[in-house]
Amino acid sequence: KQEVTQIPAALSVPEGENLVLNCSFTDSAIYNLQWFRQDPGKGLTSLLLIQSSQREQTSGRLNASLDKSSGRSTLYIAASQPGDSATYLCAPLSGGSSNTGKLIFGQGTTLQVKP
Amino acid sequence: DTGVSQDPRHKITKRGQNVTFRCDPISEHNRLYWYRQTLGQGPEFLTYFQNEAQLEKSRLLSDRFSAERPKGSFSTLEIQRTEQGDSAMYLCASSLGDRGTKNIQYFGAGTRLSVL
Repeated sequence: KQEVTQIPAALSVPEGENLVLNCSFTDSAIYNLQWFRQDPGKGLTSLLLIQSSQREQTSGRLNASLDKSSGRSTLYIAASQPGDSATYLCAPLSGGSSNTGKLIFGQGTTLQVKP
Repeated sequence: DTGVSQDPRHKITKRGQNVTFRCDPISEHNRLYWYRQTLGQGPEFLTYFQNEAQLEKSRLLSDRFSAERPKGSFSTLEIQRTEQGDSAMYLCASSLGDRGTKNIQYFGAGTRLSVL
């Protein structure tokens, strides 16, 4: 059974800092992994998707890495801004080469960027 | 098309009542997913459809829960005889397919259910 852990659970940083959010998963037979952002009381916004064959994916100030063999992914946010304040969730897609469509989520890291 | 649409956004009901939620996926997306999220937790998978076929159901989906996608477009999630433990945010997502970037899941804003 896939289990996802995100560390830290909460993070508060001053504006402008670079930061790293960590995600670990127990079953390395994943098809891909998505990082999402969730604002309070809202739905999820997809940030990045990394295929199992990829090691990195970049979008603007965001960079996500994937080490499937060790069951780890990181989300790097450069030059953080107050607008980045949200909960960040990682979700591997289980099933290996047979895609079941089921995302398994961690509890998320709640980020606060102070002006 | 502006994205995944869910209705209603909020639902307050008394214990024992039945409720139904609707999800309209992004046009042309043949996969549709339902998740449930409680406060402080990540979403938990409930079920998903490929077109009109329901391909997987979580053990969380007790026999009081039923989901349909009759024409392969919109979907409904019904909860019968609601219990206080059903209070949660119900999230719907859709994706274009199951390969590569087609597998990116796009989420709606959710329906927040409160059972009194």
